Amino acid sequence: NAGVTQTPKFQVLKTGQSMTLQCAQDMNHEYMSWYRQDPGMGLRLIHYSVGAGITDQGEVPNGYNVSRSTTEDFPLRLLSAAPSQTSVYFCASSYRGRLNTEAFFGQGTRLTVV
Amino acid sequence: LAKTTQPISMDSYEGQEVNITCSHNNIATNDYITWYQQFPSQGPRFIIQGYKTKVTNEVASLFIPADRKSSTLSLPRVSLSDTAVYYCLVGVSGSARQLTFGSGTQLTVLP
Repeated sequence: NAGVTQTPKFQVLKTGQSMTLQCAQDMNHEYMSWYRQDPGMGLRLIHYSVGAGITDQGEVPNGYNVSRSTTEDFPLRLLSAAPSQTSVYFCASSYRGRLNTEAFFGQGTRLTVV
Repeated sequence: LAKTTQPISMDSYEGQEVNITCSHNNIATNDYITWYQQFPSQGPRFIIQGYKTKVTNEVASLFIPADRKSSTLSLPRVSLSDTAVYYCLVGVSGSARQLTFGSGTQLTVLP
């Protein structure tokens, strides 16, 4: 059981480039989300999805797009990378419909925009 | 979402019990209290969750007083490998779409 898998683990982009961060989970979780973590800070929610075909914005959505075509995958797209998007990105998933539940996180993608 | 306040850092020695207190004065009736642990270069990992009184699992205990305005994570007999950042979260669910992280508490366990 792989859990939540993120690729790549590290990425360097030039300003203005675009790329997609991949996230896949094999636990049949309905909920998936993307967070970013800046140095010395907690995680901030970028986008989330409550099921295939349904996505919504979190706290810091600007500059990012998401889609959810399958239950398993939730890619995060950076449209035109900016240095302010240098961060560590975490994908998470959890079951839906349970008040008392936990989220499972991937290992993270460390992105540097130069 | 209720705001949480926890100490920025704590030091302890191996074998000691560590208690990290989190304040959440504006907790709502339907809110749960959840704690996550994060090691450097890793994603957060769920530790424990509770609603009231006391919850215990194989790694920690969570104490919640009757007014629920604070909670205490207790780690028994810590080891060097418990050095991590610990986050207290409050919300109606622990689901992946509703997690609000503060700055957390950096716990350093010394030999």
